[in-house]
Amino acid sequence: QSALTQPASVSGSPGQSITISCTGTSSDVGSYNLVSWYQQHPGKAPKLMIYDVSKRPSGVSNRFSGSKSGNTASLTISGLQAEDEADYYCCSYVGSSISYVFGTGTRVTVL
Amino acid sequence: QVQLQQWGAGLLKPSETLSLTCAVYGGSFSDYYWNWIRQPPGKGLEWIGEINHSGSTNYNPSLKSRVTISIDTSKSQFSLKLSSVTAADTAVYYCARGGYCTGGVCYKDHWGQGTLVTVSS
Repeated sequence: QSALTQPASVSGSPGQSITISCTGTSSDVGSYNLVSWYQQHPGKAPKLMIYDVSKRPSGVSNRFSGSKSGNTASLTISGLQAEDEADYYCCSYVGSSISYVFGTGTRVTVL
Repeated sequence: QVQLQQWGAGLLKPSETLSLTCAVYGGSFSDYYWNWIRQPPGKGLEWIGEINHSGSTNYNPSLKSRVTISIDTSKSQFSLKLSSVTAADTAVYYCARGGYCTGGVCYKDHWGQGTLVTVSS
């Protein structure tokens, strides 16, 4: 299975909104509402930010939201803050192999 | 407060077997899937596999022939073995709990600190 496709980088100014796309296929993203998003700061372990396409775990800011259309999932960060500067990875369940595939990762820069 | 603490050899030679263990402190050990994920230096995340308390496993098809994940419920620990390693297996290896679950699909909500494993002759 190939990695899901994400833009290498996205940037925005404080207070703005940005959206990160995650494109897969009809075998993964397109087949299941089982997409998650992880935030990773340099040298740290990833942190779960979104699951089941659009649900937030307890403690995650409501500035983070997720959606999906067809084979593409998206993560939107509204009211961008300096602390949001990190790498973001999407992840999808792959039912045919009972496995998971991550995206290529997106570096978010706060200008 | 759930904590995952992992350990294992950090330097291996080609063809050796990578071995890592992850201990879970706090929370239930029986109710979740337990995962291994790796990240080559400067690159993205790759899911390796998972195991539940009864020993049922799922593996990344690309690594399946070399991977074994096992569990010791008496110690609240699970382990990863990856055989015949090469330089391409050099990565930070993370253990993680599959905590938020939907119909058997579990999302990784708690992570270990990561262990850098380098394969070099």
